[in-house]
Amino acid sequence: DADVTQTPRNRITKTGKRIMLECSQTKGHDRMYWYRQDPGLGLRLIYYSFDVKDINKGEISDGYSVSRQAQAKFSLSLESAIPNQTALYFCATSDFSGGAGTQYFGPGTRLLVL
Amino acid sequence: AQSVAQPEDQVNVAEGNPLTVKCTYSVSGNPYLFWYVQYPNRGLQFLLKYITGDNLVKGSYGFEAEFNKSQTSFHLKKPSALVSDSALYFCAVSADTGRRALTFGSGTRLQVQP
Repeated sequence: DADVTQTPRNRITKTGKRIMLECSQTKGHDRMYWYRQDPGLGLRLIYYSFDVKDINKGEISDGYSVSRQAQAKFSLSLESAIPNQTALYFCATSDFSGGAGTQYFGPGTRLLVL
Repeated sequence: AQSVAQPEDQVNVAEGNPLTVKCTYSVSGNPYLFWYVQYPNRGLQFLLKYITGDNLVKGSYGFEAEFNKSQTSFHLKKPSALVSDSALYFCAVSADTGRRALTFGSGTRLQVQP
C-alpha cells in the first residue's frame, strides 16, 4: 500500500467548495485510475489515464476533473462539491498489460460534503 | 458493455468450514477476471486473477477461484475459513478488447464465525 499514497486521508468540505484529492505512486506504472466507493455499489470508475497525455472518462465523470502532472501523480478535482459526492475515493495504478494488469490501490480518501 | 454480478451481499460461514463467494460476469471478448479483498479502513488488496490457461487459479492466503466459461462464473473458494478472512470481497472483470478498464461487482461481505 505504501507504493500508492493518497492525500488527504479524510476531508470535510461544504457544498460549492472546490477540492483536490492527490495521488502519488512509486511503482513506475503508466496507468492510473480514480474510483469512488459507495455502500452496496462497489467501486465505480471516475477517470483513468494510460499515460501523461492520455486521459479518459470513466462511467461517472460528471462533476469531476483530473490532472496527470507526471507519470507518478494523478489528481482528482471536484470543482463545486455537492453532498452526493460524499464517498470513499481510491486511486489505483497498473502496469501496461492490456486489460490484464493487476491494479494496486491506495489507502483511500474519505470525503464528506456538507 | 461489461458487468459483474455478486448475488450475495453477505456470506456467513463457520471457522474451519469451506467458503464460496459467487461471481458471474458479462464481457465482449475474452475476459480477465480478478478478486480483491478490502479489510476495514484499508484499500483493496489483490488476491488472484485469471488471464488464460488453467481454469483453477490459486492466489494469496489460501484462496482459489475457478473460471467457468460456459457459466460465465468465477467463484472464489477456500477449503477452510479463518476468522481473519472476514472482509469485503470484490470480483472484477476487464477484457482483451475495448476500454480494458476494470468493472467491479458490488461486493460480498464475508463473515467467519469462531
